[in-house]
Amino acid sequence: DAGVTQSPTHLIKTRGQHVTLRCSPISGHKSVSWYQQVLGQGPQFIFQYYEKEERGRGNFPDRFSARQFPNYSSELNVNALLLGDSALYLCASSLTLLRDEKLFFGSGTQLSVL
Amino acid sequence: RKEVEQDPGPFNVPEGATVAFNCTYSNSASQSFFWYRQDCRKEPKLLMSVYSSGNEDGRFTAQLNRASQYISLLIRDSKLSDSATYLCVVNGGNFNKFYFGSGTKLNVKP
Repeated sequence: DAGVTQSPTHLIKTRGQHVTLRCSPISGHKSVSWYQQVLGQGPQFIFQYYEKEERGRGNFPDRFSARQFPNYSSELNVNALLLGDSALYLCASSLTLLRDEKLFFGSGTQLSVL
Repeated sequence: RKEVEQDPGPFNVPEGATVAFNCTYSNSASQSFFWYRQDCRKEPKLLMSVYSSGNEDGRFTAQLNRASQYISLLIRDSKLSDSATYLCVVNGGNFNKFYFGSGTKLNVKP
């Protein structure tokens, strides 16, 4: 079975541009979460979606938005890119929203903002 | 104050050594705890969940102290392949938010 897949793997953008990152969860998983990992830090929670509804939001500006589609895949959008948005963006899928639910991560999208 | 705090290391140990990592969390309402492993430039992967009674998986033992809001990971008989960054992960009390520590880097030397 395929794991969590993310695209693209790498992306280079300039300040002010917009970016869309994509994620397909493990088959049967209904929850997708997005995390930002800056070099040398642990992943930081951005959003969680379950059954196409936003169920959680981290401390990120409104430039960050996301959505989940009927097939449970998800997109993360970032507008008006800043240099500080350069990071590894990780998507994680889980079966449900239970507290002890394990997260399965994709290999991430490395975003560089110049 | 950060939700989850870890000693960044690095911990440099010889093969066969026993090494312990600690982690503290700030939200007393947290209910779920995990250790994840992250290799350089790769995605985090679940190592083990942490239960109140403590749990063991081969050479790895995890402990939780709710009173002190403290989690530990013990690795016995370290292997070269254990070299990685170990991330402490805590559920934020709300079931849909997980907080990661900055990670503790382990280097196992021959």
